[in-house]
Amino acid sequence: DAGITQSPRHKVTETGTPVTLRCHQTENHRYMYWYRQDPGHGLRLIHYSYGVKDTDKGEVSDGYSVSRSKTEDFLLTLESATSSQTSVYFCAISGPTGGKGYTFGSGTRLTVV
Amino acid sequence: GQNIDQPTEMTATEGAIVQINCTYQTSGFNGLFWYQQHAGEAPTFLSYNVLDGLEEKGRFSSFLSRSKGYSYLLLKELQMKDSASYLCAVRYNTDKLIFGTGTRLQVFP
Repeated sequence: DAGITQSPRHKVTETGTPVTLRCHQTENHRYMYWYRQDPGHGLRLIHYSYGVKDTDKGEVSDGYSVSRSKTEDFLLTLESATSSQTSVYFCAISGPTGGKGYTFGSGTRLTVV
Repeated sequence: GQNIDQPTEMTATEGAIVQINCTYQTSGFNGLFWYQQHAGEAPTFLSYNVLDGLEEKGRFSSFLSRSKGYSYLLLKELQMKDSASYLCAVRYNTDKLIFGTGTRLQVFP
């Protein structure tokens, strides 16, 4: 299996607090992505990165920021968590050929109370 | 937008064949993927189509018609462990994947 890990696996936080989720890969892949998955919506792209310090917004980026200071790490920050950000967050990586699509991390279940 | 449509739920019997359809907008199409996702787990890659036709991989096959904006995933000899959600995803122009909402398949004995 591809080396991709997410931390934490579960988190409960209070409304208004900042939260950072971490994605770490050992595959040296250039492309990394953050998705959220909610019932009835499927996987929706939050932010993505094409390389170190090279990031861009996805379709649901409001309230989120990302950073990629090293190839192996892609951080997702909820600047001020809201209940609407309660979700399962998946990180994904893809290799240069693209023919195998993405490899996903195990996910982070975030609950904002 | 780039709507990707697939049925919300399907049911089938163990040993049967089931076909899960996916339709998408064709402009900018650059590849279609199917993923399997068991409850509480991450999606895992099943198949990839970029040219028209059928790709077969064991009990699973995936078909693509680019002109019609249509794909299907065919699961044969269904097993209980095939109960899962099946996600259709399309790559448009860039490396980003756009996902459908998924089809939840329940296999009954």
